[in-house]
Amino acid sequence: AQRVTQPEKLLSVFKGAPVELKCNYSYSGSPELFWYVQYSRQRLQLLLRHISRESIKGFTADLNKGETSFHLKKPFAQEEDSAMYYCALRAGNEKLTFGTGTRLTIIP
Amino acid sequence: DAGVIQSPRHEVTEMGQEVTLRCKPISGHDYLFWYRQTMMRGLELLIYFNNNVPIDDSGMPEDRFSAKMPNASFSTLKIQPSEPRDSAVYFCASSFAGANVLTFGAGSRLTVL
Repeated sequence: AQRVTQPEKLLSVFKGAPVELKCNYSYSGSPELFWYVQYSRQRLQLLLRHISRESIKGFTADLNKGETSFHLKKPFAQEEDSAMYYCALRAGNEKLTFGTGTRLTIIP
Repeated sequence: DAGVIQSPRHEVTEMGQEVTLRCKPISGHDYLFWYRQTMMRGLELLIYFNNNVPIDDSGMPEDRFSAKMPNASFSTLKIQPSEPRDSAVYFCASSFAGANVLTFGAGSRLTVL
């Protein structure tokens, strides 16, 4: 069965500092990986997915199959990045499996 | 389109009472998912439907939970009887042609006293 692990429940970073939200997965095949974000008082929404290989709001994530990781990174944190972040895996079937989430707080 | 619509937004009930949560997916979406969000477990998939048919309900905690989708524009998640440990935010999400990208509703926050 597929599994997504986000080891950090809480992460605090100073404004302007680099951010890295960790995500590891377990799946023997070729997965599709996603990052979803939930800002305060907003709905959970897609941030980015690995197949797009794009940068959204300054965030990037690279799929590392050797390390089975899909860490989310941003070089310079902004206050508006404070939110709950979920890593998600689609493993050849129709459903998305989410991690337990990381609450990111940017310290002014 | 108003997006995925969930009701009620907040529900406070007493242990033992029946709870019904409702969801209207985006028109044209053929997949509907029910998730439960808690601090300890994050987002857990409870059940999902494809073309109104339940495909995987392995995440439903126990027999107290049931879900239906009588038509393409409406789904319910029912808890009977409710227990304090059911307190959580329940999200409905829909998608088109698979789970590549989900559109989530605003969630229903349930508190069972």
